[in-house]
Amino acid sequence: GAGVSQSPSNKVTEKGKDVELRCDPISGHTALYWYRQSLGQGLEFLIYFQGNSAPDKSGLPSDRFSAERTGGSVSTLTIQRTQQEDSAVYLCASSTSTGTIYNEQFFGPGTRLTVL
Amino acid sequence: AQSVTQLGSHVSVSEGALVLLRCNYSSSVPPYLFWYVQYPNQGLQLLLKYTSAATLVKGINGFEAEFKKSETSFHLTKPSAHMSDAAEYFCAVSPSGYSSASKIIFGSGTRLSIRP
Repeated sequence: GAGVSQSPSNKVTEKGKDVELRCDPISGHTALYWYRQSLGQGLEFLIYFQGNSAPDKSGLPSDRFSAERTGGSVSTLTIQRTQQEDSAVYLCASSTSTGTIYNEQFFGPGTRLTVL
Repeated sequence: AQSVTQLGSHVSVSEGALVLLRCNYSSSVPPYLFWYVQYPNQGLQLLLKYTSAATLVKGINGFEAEFKKSETSFHLTKPSAHMSDAAEYFCAVSPSGYSSASKIIFGSGTRLSIRP
């Protein structure tokens, strides 16, 4: 089966523009995560969706960042009024929530965002 | 609360030499521990995981890690480095005992370079 996919793979935008990043998780995975990886940095947790529960938004850096997950599958991360410091690789991961309580996460290839 | 510390942002070893990447964790409950690897321009993939079974865990590509509760460590080792091991390695911790997926806390990563 297919793994986690993300689109676009690369996105270059101008400061102040809005961007949308898409994540298609593995079919049947109920948990979905977004992370940000800045140059030379580790993974920064952004947001976590689990089934129909309210998302854990504790990692979103500002109110310019938002995410939604429609139908419990595809997720979109939106960054409004982008700033240069938003430039990073945005990674999506998904996992199953039942049985495997150690919740191995499967990662997509990421979207590299460059804000000029 | 959980946290992970990876000692050394960059490790360089000669081909054929021992690889040792250090990871120390902090957890208020028994943890699950992971090592992920990220090859250049790729997403993260799971290398190995500790889920309270055997303390010595073997992963892919000849890597292994040992859970040492007394030292709160989960160091990653490989007896003989190969050029293809050059990558970024992330240690991660997750609380055990959860019946649904919960977010994993990642370390800041260690970049492994292999000298010919």
